[in-house]
Parts: sequence; C-alpha cells; structure tokens
Amino acid sequence: EIVLTQSPDFQSVTPKEKITITCRASQSIGNSLHWYQQKPDQSPKLLIKYASQSFSGVPSRFSGSGSGTNFTLTINGLEAEDAAAYYCHQSSGLPYTFGQGTNLEIK
Amino acid sequence: QVQLVQSGAEVKKPGASVKVSCKASGYTFTRSYMHWVRQAPGQGLEWMGIIDPSGGSTSYAQKFQGRVTMTRDTSTSTVYMELSSLRSEDTAVYYCSRGGPDFDYWGQGTLVTVSS
Repeated sequence: EIVLTQSPDFQSVTPKEKITITCRASQSIGNSLHWYQQKPDQSPKLLIKYASQSFSGVPSRFSGSGSGTNFTLTINGLEAEDAAAYYCHQSSGLPYTFGQGTNLEIK
Repeated sequence: QVQLVQSGAEVKKPGASVKVSCKASGYTFTRSYMHWVRQAPGQGLEWMGIIDPSGGSTSYAQKFQGRVTMTRDTSTSTVYMELSSLRSEDTAVYYCSRGGPDFDYWGQGTLVTVSS
C-alpha cells in the first residue's frame, strides 16, 4: 500500500498570504496525484488532478506541482473562503490512498 | 450536470448491516467507475473500494474484505454499498465518488451511526 504523508497537519495564515502544502509518497507514483478541498460539513471537491492540472471552475490561485514522490499544492493570495481541510490522493495503484489531511485556518 | 444523490442517514445496532445507495445522473453511468470513501467523525478520508458499473467487477480495500459488497443497477443508474457486521468504529459519513481515476464528483454523503 502506498502511504501519503502531508505536511503540515495544520497551518494558520492571514488573507493574501501564500501557502504550500506538501505530499510525499512512500514510492514513486508518477503524476497520479490529486488534491481535494473539504470545507466543514461538505463533501470533498477536486482541485487539482494529475499533480498539476486544474479542475474545471477552480480559481487560478490554486496550483499543483511535482512528480515521483514529492508533490506540492500552492495557494496564492489566500482568501477567507479557503479555510478548509486539504487532502492528497494517489491513483497509481490499488488500494487508492489519501494523505492524512492539512487543516488550514484563515486568521 | 453530473449529480450523485445518496440515500439518507441510518442508525444501526452493532452486528447489523447497512446498505447505502448512490444514484447517478448527468452522464453515461456505465462509462465511469464509482468509488466509496468514508470519513469517521473528525478524521480523514478512507478509500473502501471501487465498482465498474459496466460489468459489475469490484475491488475492495483489504480492511473491508469479507464485510463490504458493492453492486450496481444499470436500469436505475444506481450503485450500492453494503457493509455488514457493523461495529462502533464504522460510524462515519460514507461517500460515493465518480472516479476516472481522479474523483471528480462526489455524493452528498450518508451518515451511518452504529450504536447500541
């Protein structure tokens, strides 16, 4: 099973800042890495697929990069509505797995 | 537009089974896999398994092998997830999600509470 480790677990930031969340895979997964945002009491939403492709309708301040074992999600110009949990997910092989999540607080 | 609509909340006793449904619309049902993901209270996301609505083939996470069954009804574009021998640790929100293999659309979630 491929283990995904995210960092940090929690971060508190102010609006307009830039944040980077990392996701490290226990083995190479190519670009089969996707990012989701989940707000309280809502279903997760796809932000980035295949490491760097933005999903339809996602604001341009969200971007992703990486390949192999190291990946990043970057949010430029944070807005209050970005307060949420963020998860990475790998689809390189079954069983699919998720990172443990990163909770983002906007001060 | 793609929509996944799940059945309502359930309360079950330990040892019982639960069957959650997920009705798809807005796309060709048999052309996309469907996944089930669960989330315990205050916890992260956990992948449970996948079903191919076209042929009905499935693959389950080892943790759930023997307790989970995923099925589909192509006449109603609905997939089902049945979990048996429920225990308190199965209390969670269960989501269906269209997978391709990124999870681009999600159901609204179904809360299953296991309590005596």
